[in-house]
Amino acid sequence: EAGVAQSPRYKIIEKRQSVAFWCNPISGHATLYWYQQILGQGPKLLIQFQNNGVVDDSQLPKDRFSAERLKGVDSTLKIQPAKLEDSAVYLCASSTRQEYGYTFGSGTRLTVV
Amino acid sequence: GDSVTQMEGPVTLSEEAFLTINCTYTATGYPSLFWYVQYPGEGLQLLLKATKADDKGSNKGFEATYRKETTSFHLEKGSVQVSDSAVYFCALSDSNYQLIWGAGTKLIIKP
Repeated sequence: EAGVAQSPRYKIIEKRQSVAFWCNPISGHATLYWYQQILGQGPKLLIQFQNNGVVDDSQLPKDRFSAERLKGVDSTLKIQPAKLEDSAVYLCASSTRQEYGYTFGSGTRLTVV
Repeated sequence: GDSVTQMEGPVTLSEEAFLTINCTYTATGYPSLFWYVQYPGEGLQLLLKATKADDKGSNKGFEATYRKETTSFHLEKGSVQVSDSAVYFCALSDSNYQLIWGAGTKLIIKP
C-alpha cells in the first residue's frame, strides 16, 4: 500500500512569513495526526483528526497554527506568522486501529531564519 | 497519566554486540506497545509492536516482549550492525488513539 505522503520535503522561510504543509494519509485511515519534532527530541502531538473532526488540538498554538482536514482525507497545516522556534520537522501520521500503530510520512523540515 | 520511560543515550556498541534498550511504562488499562526507529534525516518507522501481555514483537532481528508484571517492553537484538545506528523510541497507544512517547535513545554502532 502507498505510504503517508507529505510535501514539501524542505522549506526555508523568514520569520513572520507564512508556510503550509500538506499530508495525504493512507487510504482508509480515519485518524490523522500532525506532530512537531524539534531536533534531538521526541515528537510532540499538535493535532489529531478523526475523519473531518478534531479530536485533540490542546497543544496546537492556535494564535499562529491552524490545520484542516477536508473530506476526511488530505490535511494541511499552516503557520502564520512563523517564529524562529518553529524550526522543526513536521510529521504527519495516520492510523486505522489503535493496536496497529501509526504510519508516518517522511516529514517536512522547516527552517525559520 | 500514562507515561513511557526509556534509558538515556547515547548507547555506543561495537558491531555484533548484544543490544538492550530498556523501556518501562505506566498506564491505565491495557495499552498497545511500540518501538519506532528514526534513521538520520528520515521520518519515524514502526519497528515492532505488541498488543497484549506476553506478546513478542519482532522485526529485522529486533525483539521486545510485553511484560505486564514488570510494565516493561525492552528492545533487544542479538548482533547489531553499523546500519542499526539510529534513534529508537518506545511508545504506548492510549485509549484516545494517541501515542505516548519515550524520550528516545540514540544508538551508535562502531565497526
